[in-house]
Order: sequence, then C-alpha cells, then structure tokens
Amino acid sequence: DAKTTQPPSMDCAEGRAANLPCNHSTISGNEYVYWYRQIHSQGPQYIIHGLKNNETNEMASLIITEDRKSSTLILPHATLRDTAVYYCIVRAPLQGAGSYQLTFGKGTKLSVIP
Amino acid sequence: NAGVMQNPRHLVRRRGQEARLRCSPMKGHSHVYWYRQLPEEGLKFMVYLQKENIIDESGMPKERFSAEFPKEGPSILRIQQVVRGDSAAYFCASSPPWGRTEAFFGQGTRLTVV
Repeated sequence: DAKTTQPPSMDCAEGRAANLPCNHSTISGNEYVYWYRQIHSQGPQYIIHGLKNNETNEMASLIITEDRKSSTLILPHATLRDTAVYYCIVRAPLQGAGSYQLTFGKGTKLSVIP
Repeated sequence: NAGVMQNPRHLVRRRGQEARLRCSPMKGHSHVYWYRQLPEEGLKFMVYLQKENIIDESGMPKERFSAEFPKEGPSILRIQQVVRGDSAAYFCASSPPWGRTEAFFGQGTRLTVV
C-alpha cells in the first residue's frame, strides 16, 4: 500500500471548517483513500473513503486532486468533539478473500479550539 | 444494532500469565481484524480472520500470540506468558462479507502487564 504524509498537528477554531491535507504521491490506480479518526483512548472511527471523485457524507467531505496524489478531508463546522488524531490511509480494494490491512501512520492531531 | 464489542475493557496481568481478549463483531459481519497500539504509537495490524479460518497473520508475533474465530462465539486473541512489552491497547475491527470495505472498530482492551 502507498505511504501517506500528513502534518503532525493542526489547530482549528470551533465552528470553522477544518481542512486536513494528505499527500499520497505514490498511490496506484486501484488504491482508495480512506480517512479514520481516533478520539483519545477510543477505537478508530471510519469517516469516509473515495477513489477519484469527491465524496461527501454526514460527517465530512473528501476532495481528491485530479492526479490523485493528494487529498483533503474537510470537516465543515468543527466542534470540540472533533478533536482527535486523523489518519489518511491508502489501500487497494479487497480481492476476493484477500487481506484487509489498514496501515496507520502517525496521522494529524487536530485540536479544535473554543 | 450493537457495534463491535470487546471485553474486557481493561485487563491487568502479571508477567508470565495468560491474557485472553474477546471480540464480538457487528451483526452480519464475518470478517474480524486485530490491531495493537503501543503507547504513543499508531495502530499496527496483527491478524485477519474469517469464521474458523486465519486469512492473514503477517502482523502476529511468531511466539506466544494466537488468534481464533470459531464458528460460534467471539473471536479470541490469546497471549501466553505475557511480558511488560505486551502492554498496549488491542483493537478489534469487523467488516461485512466481501463487497463492502469499511471496517468498524471496537473500543479496545487495554492490557497492562505488571
């Protein structure tokens, strides 16, 4: 799976949009971009994933550049409860009963400030 | 629909004892994954199981660690003769059968070896 690069930390004012960048310049054509977050001491929480089109769900939006070498996770109105470590992961889709390893890096520690 | 259930949430063992960690996947999920998170580090994949089968154990230490997912009952991660270095948070995730790719994590078991 391709490696990702994320800033170690970011601050965001409460109520503002949080834009978390991720570089994945070695991504392959069939690899998806996944985002998870881990709120202190809890299990990782799935946020969103995409292949090449922008995606939106009730939690966030995912913007993937045309060349797919980078992406941005957008939390439109950050709240204090969004303070967490955010992980950007790229991986290939399941191949039948193939492995499902998620390779977690160090992520970005997002602090939402009142 | 209950999420992924792990128990116990906290487990204290003396060096040399055995630790058994349990994971009940979400209803309808037949794939289970175990991850370990050492203090101040990211999550590392350990093993991927389907009912009665180990699919990928490439992240499992070669000795003392074993995992199973029997036909009936929860998945079990077993650590024999625990050492202080086994102290970590152990997370279980589950996903539906092939065709869906999101994995959902439990709240983890925090193992402390004294």
